[in-house]
Amino acid sequence: EDQVTQSPEALRLQEGESSSLNCSYTVSGLRGLFWYRQDPGKGPEFLFTLYSAGEEKEKERLKATLTKKESFLHITAPKPEDSATYLCAAYSGGYQKVTFGIGTKLQVIP
Amino acid sequence: EAEVAQSPRYKITEKSQAVAFWCDPISGHATLYWYRQILGQGPELLVQFQDESVVDDSQLPKDRFSAERLKGVDSTLKIQPAELGDSAMYLCASSLMDTEAFFGQGTRLTVV
Repeated sequence: EDQVTQSPEALRLQEGESSSLNCSYTVSGLRGLFWYRQDPGKGPEFLFTLYSAGEEKEKERLKATLTKKESFLHITAPKPEDSATYLCAAYSGGYQKVTFGIGTKLQVIP
Repeated sequence: EAEVAQSPRYKITEKSQAVAFWCDPISGHATLYWYRQILGQGPELLVQFQDESVVDDSQLPKDRFSAERLKGVDSTLKIQPAELGDSAMYLCASSLMDTEAFFGQGTRLTVV
């Protein structure tokens, strides 16, 4: 059974304090790894897709990386507006099966 | 910018009543997903369509839930009868082949 595990479940950072979120996955035939941001009461907002080990993608203060077993979302000098839940999802199989982790709830304190 | 449209945004219903949610995917997106998200958890796939065909409904409680996507465009998810444990956010998403999915704003269901 495909499985996606995210850690930590919650993370509290001071503004400007860089850190990383982890997403480990066990899936059959990974075809891609997605990262989403979700604000309270809203649908997930797409951030990145990573397709192969060694790939990196960046957007403002966020950088996503991928290895054969896990992905990291690095947050550099975060601001309070980066506070949200960050979800990763593994995309596999012949019909685009997408399995989500439970997310990491990030709080950035001014 | 193209968006996935969902309605209603909020729904309160009594236990044992029927409830329906509607989703209009981004134009041209053949794949449509319905997810359920309980507070503090990640989205859980209920049903996945490729055009008008169901490709995965293994986690859909078929005794009370049904989904259809007539003509391969918009979709409806129905619950009958609703139970207290169905209270959750119901999310619709759509994608092109082999690409990321884009989500709507969801329907927050409260069963009382």
